[in-house]
Amino acid sequence: DADVTQTPRNRITKTGKRIMLECSQTKGHDRMYWYRQDPGLGLRLIYYSFDVKDINKGEISDGYSVSRQAQAKFSLSLESAIPNQTALYFCATREAGGGNQPQHFGDGTRLSIL
Amino acid sequence: KQEVTQIPAALSVPEGENLVLNCSFTDSAIYNLQWFRQDPGKGLTSLLLIQSSQREQTSGRLNASLDKSSGRSTLYIAASQPGDSATYLCAGPGSARQLTFGSGTQLTVLP
Repeated sequence: DADVTQTPRNRITKTGKRIMLECSQTKGHDRMYWYRQDPGLGLRLIYYSFDVKDINKGEISDGYSVSRQAQAKFSLSLESAIPNQTALYFCATREAGGGNQPQHFGDGTRLSIL
Repeated sequence: KQEVTQIPAALSVPEGENLVLNCSFTDSAIYNLQWFRQDPGKGLTSLLLIQSSQREQTSGRLNASLDKSSGRSTLYIAASQPGDSATYLCAGPGSARQLTFGSGTQLTVLP
């Protein structure tokens, strides 16, 4: 089983719909992240969380919200989806520490908004 | 603000060649530099992490170097194989000490 699981893997939806992307992990890591990837732009950070009661905005948080329901679960919501939110979304985890631990990624959710 | 650049965006080489992928960054106060591999339809897999106190890290046929003074890191792949075909991304800590990613180099190793 994957250490970082994202659901769904693919989603097509319409403008204005509310969407939730889910991420769960079995690595026991405190730190969790949501990124989006667009062609030619690399990954950009949306939100991150250092523990259950900690939520921080990343570079591109507008139009998104998150919920850290438990240490192992971190959900990303689009309250009212718009076409320019079409992208590949990744969840990642990292062990707490001095910053020299690698991030571990899920396989991504491909989201298309029509 | 940290900016990370990878050139070229795509690279095609014959099998068996040694190759170098380049990564440049703007904030020399970087405390580590990470290299990832991304296969189509998959997430990122961490390959190597170089701490600021190190100059290089090696794993099998991969060797990554870090030169903070010049703002550069390289990923050297020895004796390339078709299975090395993937997109390679580098990332360094940016604002709030979170990772800033380059846009990647798409590598194709031809049999």
